[in-house]
Amino acid sequence: KNEVEQSPQNLTAQEGEFITINCSYSVGISALHWLQQHPGGGIVSLFMLSSGKKKHGRLIATINIQEKHSSLHITASHPRDSAVYICAVRGWGAQKLVFGQGTRLTINP
Amino acid sequence: DGGITQSPKYLFRKEGQNVTLSCEQNLNHDAMYWYRQDPGQGLRLIYYSQIVNDFQKGDIAEGYSVSREKKESFPLTVTSAQKNPTAFYLCASSLGTSGSNEQFFGPGTRLTVL
Repeated sequence: KNEVEQSPQNLTAQEGEFITINCSYSVGISALHWLQQHPGGGIVSLFMLSSGKKKHGRLIATINIQEKHSSLHITASHPRDSAVYICAVRGWGAQKLVFGQGTRLTINP
Repeated sequence: DGGITQSPKYLFRKEGQNVTLSCEQNLNHDAMYWYRQDPGQGLRLIYYSQIVNDFQKGDIAEGYSVSREKKESFPLTVTSAQKNPTAFYLCASSLGTSGSNEQFFGPGTRLTVL
């Protein structure tokens, strides 16, 4: 079993729908990252969180440390949100991130 | 503009040749990383460096080598010993390696070995 599991692996939705991507991990962590990878390959950091909830525009990230689970939500989704969303965690005392396999999101107009 | 540059974006090499991928950052970050991405898999760490003149192996270092002679540069050499070098390579940097440090990624280099 991978240390970081994302679900779903692929998600297709219509413009305007509310999107949820889930990330579960198996180790104690100091931080969890949500990243966005566009079709060209470049990766952008969306959130880094260790507790609670963060919001940037239409994006919301939550984390439940006790349940070892995080969710990324997109409200009023738009075709430009189409990308691969990647969850990554850093274990306590670790110097590296462990990445999930990514969720490919496609938003149709 | 501050950021990370990787060049070239696409690289083709013949089997058996060594190839060096460039990564430069002007963010004044101490830590730099090299990742490999294969279809359907998460990013895997090849090498990382916490400070100039120091680097450590990641999870899949075999067949790769790095150097960190300058703070802003962390080139990766894919040697002929790497059995399956065709992949997408991403460089990243952060202020440090502790949990509170966000990693910033370059645009990546797609290497194809023919």
